[in-house]
Amino acid sequence: LAKTTQPISMDSYEGQEVNITCSHNNIATNDYITWYQQFPSQGPRFIIQGYKTKVTNEVASLFIPADRKSSTLSLPRVSLSDTAVYYCLVFGPGRRALTFGSGTRLQVQP
Amino acid sequence: DVKVTQSSRYLVKRTGEKVFLECVQDMDHENMFWYRQDPGLGLRLIYFSYDVKMKEKGDIPEGYSVSREKKERFSLILESASTNQTSMYLCASSLSGTLYEQYFGPGTRLTVT
Repeated sequence: LAKTTQPISMDSYEGQEVNITCSHNNIATNDYITWYQQFPSQGPRFIIQGYKTKVTNEVASLFIPADRKSSTLSLPRVSLSDTAVYYCLVFGPGRRALTFGSGTRLQVQP
Repeated sequence: DVKVTQSSRYLVKRTGEKVFLECVQDMDHENMFWYRQDPGLGLRLIYFSYDVKMKEKGDIPEGYSVSREKKERFSLILESASTNQTSMYLCASSLSGTLYEQYFGPGTRLTVT
């Protein structure tokens, strides 16, 4: 099971772009990278998944370099409502469960 | 929208009591999960179920049991509650083919005194 490492916390200001990098050095060939977001007093919410290169949706972009040993979640022009904990997970076929780490606590200030 | 509901948002129980936490999902998902979340430890998987009456242990099953008699309902049971089981309990569900995309309930904050 690939272990992930991400910063414990990050601070930003409204309107800035935020990039959260996750390290997963022993990612397996068939593993995918998945990110969740958790607001205070709520359960986590799936936001994006990718295998390689770049994936974009209405919430975020996910950048994965060719070696796939890391990934970067990019949040464009954050607002106060993006204050949350962001979890990076690595998941592959045949696995029955996700493993959540401690995540990155993003604090967006006015 | 997928909806996962949990029976209580807040629960206070005494040490030694038997505690039932109920979770219901309305999207016909095959997989259901129970996690607990503690500060600094992230989410840890207690049990999961991939079909009715089927269950598998997660990372921290000790002191817990589960029941899944119907597809939409997954119960977590604390046979004899202890203070170290004070935590936030989160239920989730997913389709069998999209395990990576789990839908979570709002959580139950359980305090055992």
